Amino acid sequence: DVKVTQSSRYLVKRTGEKVFLECVQDMDHENMFWYRQDPGLGLRLIYFSYDVKMKEKGDIPEGYSVSREKKERFSLILESASTNQTSMYLCASSRPQKPYEQYFGPGTRLTVT
Amino acid sequence: AQKVTQAQTEISVVEKEDVTLDCVYETRDTTYYLFWYKQPPSGELVFLIRRNSFDEQNEISGRYSWNFQKSTSSFNFTITASQVVDSAVYFCALRVRAAGNKLTFGGGTRVLVKP
Repeated sequence: DVKVTQSSRYLVKRTGEKVFLECVQDMDHENMFWYRQDPGLGLRLIYFSYDVKMKEKGDIPEGYSVSREKKERFSLILESASTNQTSMYLCASSRPQKPYEQYFGPGTRLTVT
Repeated sequence: AQKVTQAQTEISVVEKEDVTLDCVYETRDTTYYLFWYKQPPSGELVFLIRRNSFDEQNEISGRYSWNFQKSTSSFNFTITASQVVDSAVYFCALRVRAAGNKLTFGGGTRVLVKP
């Protein structure tokens, strides 16, 4: 059974804090993605990675960075959290042969106060 | 640039009613793929279907059916005889070949099926 796990379901942080969101997949997928989900806006791509140490900006990378040191793990970093980064964050992975068939984690609901 | 519009933000039906979710997309690319994902209350999006731009054949899978019409840039999704377990948020998404692995999602439609 394929699995994408995210380190926390709920997270509350203060403005200015550095925040790490972790994602791990056990399917040996090369591609990994970070999205944020906001009501009415659907999912928007923040960053993605198609291999270890490789990353590409998505549509809304400002205020975020990522790290992929191992194939199974893809971290999203908020260098200095702001209230407008309060959102649901979803991680996904896929194989290069089927990049469209993305497997998603349960999401992390981040609140920045 | 690509765009996906799901005009219905929320639909409420009574069990056994049919429900149709609209999806309209915009792209200048001639090669593209369309998808539907389901997000149940647990949070994980589940892939439902993929359609490429060269295949306008409609598809039926159990109680689910999809109607792809290039002439109107629409890829609508119908749930027949809805059940409470169909309650979820449904997302339509678009991938164009030129954009590689990127998916453009619509805003989602929340479906509430009441017993």
